[in-house]
Amino acid sequence: QGLLLQSGAEVKKPGASVRVSCKASGYTFTRFGMNWVRQAPGQRPEWMGWINSGTANTRYSQKFQGRVTISRDTSASTVYMELRSLTSEDTAVYFCAREGTELLFDSWGQGTLVTVSS
Amino acid sequence: QSVLTQPPSASGTPGQRVTISCSGSSSNIGSNYVYWYQQLPGAAPQLLIYRNDQRPSGVPDRFSGSKSDTSASLVISGLRSENEADYYCVAWDDSVSGYVFGTGTKVTVL
Repeated sequence: QGLLLQSGAEVKKPGASVRVSCKASGYTFTRFGMNWVRQAPGQRPEWMGWINSGTANTRYSQKFQGRVTISRDTSASTVYMELRSLTSEDTAVYFCAREGTELLFDSWGQGTLVTVSS
Repeated sequence: QSVLTQPPSASGTPGQRVTISCSGSSSNIGSNYVYWYQQLPGAAPQLLIYRNDQRPSGVPDRFSGSKSDTSASLVISGLRSENEADYYCVAWDDSVSGYVFGTGTKVTVL
């Protein structure tokens, strides 16, 4: 099935950047893509972007284009999501979620709470 | 984000059948697969249905999905107390080139 382990909670000031990591285990890392999904308190989840873990090709939600970067380190089986120019509206739980050929978001990380506050 | 519209709530007694609808458009449900997720309080969503009507291994057959034109449905047959959760539909939307989540349905077991 695959296990995804995310980095810990973060508190950031407005205008700062945050980088969240997602370490994969239990499957061949490069054979699955990885998505990032965030969920603000009381809101529905929101898709941010995706990376092909093998080729490093990416695609981003239009909403976050220019402000987010998703990258991967195959030697560490880890995917990273960096979000810049944070505002209070970026306060949310950020999830990584695996994508296969047929299955979408079939494994999820435990979530990382990012709080943006002055 | 583009809108996939779900009823905000649904409920039933144990053993009853509950249906959750997801209404979209030609740019999302009408031309792409639909996926369904269950989210228990404080947890990450979990995949229930993929490619409109397929169940991943380990998901009980009490959960079933269907799609017609620009709408999709999730049916929970034989409702149980552990099915109390939020349910979301998801589809790729060609107009925004991204995945969109439904507005979510909170299921309550009476």
